[in-house]
Amino acid sequence: NAGVTQTPKFRILKIGQSMTLQCAQDMNHNYMYWYRQDPGMGLKLIYYSVGAGITDKGEVPNGYNVSRSTTEDFPLRLELAAPSQTSVYFCASSYPARGENIQYFGAGTRLSVL
Amino acid sequence: AQTVTQSQPEMSVQEAETVTLSCTYDTSESDYYLFWYKQPPSRQMILVIRQEAYKQQNATENRFSVNFQKAAKSFSLKISDSQLGDAAMYFCAYRSNNYGGATNKLIFGTGTLLAVQP
Repeated sequence: NAGVTQTPKFRILKIGQSMTLQCAQDMNHNYMYWYRQDPGMGLKLIYYSVGAGITDKGEVPNGYNVSRSTTEDFPLRLELAAPSQTSVYFCASSYPARGENIQYFGAGTRLSVL
Repeated sequence: AQTVTQSQPEMSVQEAETVTLSCTYDTSESDYYLFWYKQPPSRQMILVIRQEAYKQQNATENRFSVNFQKAAKSFSLKISDSQLGDAAMYFCAYRSNNYGGATNKLIFGTGTLLAVQP
């Protein structure tokens, strides 16, 4: 069972470079999320999507963009990388129903911007 | 806005002993879920246990149990018979049970790093 798959696992960027963090899930979940985890902190929501073609901002969206062309994929785009974007990025997915709506997480991408 | 506070940055427990991790939260809502996630060195976020606010009975999953005090807005995690594999960062998280959108987001505490001594 693949669940939520994130690539790459590690990446080093230079200031001003751009990259896309990939996220794919095979559980047919409509809801998908991107979080970032800074050292010593909990996760904070960057963007989320409630279905293909629908995305919205979370708590910390500045410097990022997302798209959702399919149910399975939810890539996160970093434009003009800055040192403040050094973090661990987690993608998650869930089934959109009332109740537990458990979020399942990928293994994360560790990004350093130097 | 809802907040989650974990006041113990680090805890230590002897193998086979019991440890309790603390979590408090602030919300004006009455319908929500609370979660404990485990993050081992592999970074994978693993759901340990969850509690629905409307359920009075404390949730239990094998060696893991919670003490949910709704009036006090407290949600502690008890780990019994601690094992070396329990060593990890533990995060408490809150989620509103209002349907749809960003209200489904998880609000995390800052975590408690648990060390298990052999």
